[in-house]
Amino acid sequence: DQQVKQNSPSLSVQEGRISILNCDYTNSMFDYFLWYKKYPAEGPTFLISISSIKDKNEDGRFTVFLNKSAKHLSLHIVPSQPGDSAVYFCAARTHNNNDMRFGAGTRLTVKP
Amino acid sequence: NAGVTQTPKFQVLKTGQSMTLQCAQDMNHNSMYWYRQDPGMGLRLIYYSASEGTTDKGEVPNGYNVSRLNKREFSLRLESAAPSQTSVYFCASSGQLAGELFFGEGSRLTVL
Repeated sequence: DQQVKQNSPSLSVQEGRISILNCDYTNSMFDYFLWYKKYPAEGPTFLISISSIKDKNEDGRFTVFLNKSAKHLSLHIVPSQPGDSAVYFCAARTHNNNDMRFGAGTRLTVKP
Repeated sequence: NAGVTQTPKFQVLKTGQSMTLQCAQDMNHNSMYWYRQDPGMGLRLIYYSASEGTTDKGEVPNGYNVSRLNKREFSLRLESAAPSQTSVYFCASSGQLAGELFFGEGSRLTVL
């Protein structure tokens, strides 16, 4: 039972354009959402997060949008750079639970 | 700063053998986690420890045991390895309030 879903296994964009990575969740108790970035042979690293009391959080080129009614969040990267090429994982947790659930990941390729 | 350190980085086992994956963090975090990553499945939580002296099952605990040796160290043991346990294992830690996880570089385990 995958509670966090990333339905696009891969995404390819041109350098300088926008990358949009999507994530859906089924558990309405989730109230904290995170995006992680993973390069080959490395552990995932935290990128950006959003609490359920917000609908948008921005950090430089990265913006996460949350649509609670649709149980959907997205990560926007503008402008995309070749160094952004990695696997991006969406994750979610409840405030009183240490069990963080991850999606299957989306491999982003940014072409020069 | 070392962050989260996992050993070994690579291991090949035969079915039925046992082994222990070691994890240590130097960030004074209360919570520690063990995840496994499989293709198309994302990261799945095996066990976690919310604080020193406590451990809890995650999503896929069968076939594993854990020990929170002290605040710094959290080990994962496979008592009788099976081919289905071939995976990349990640240890992670988090501060109580931050929500984000800090991951080690991963341990690639192959069970023949």
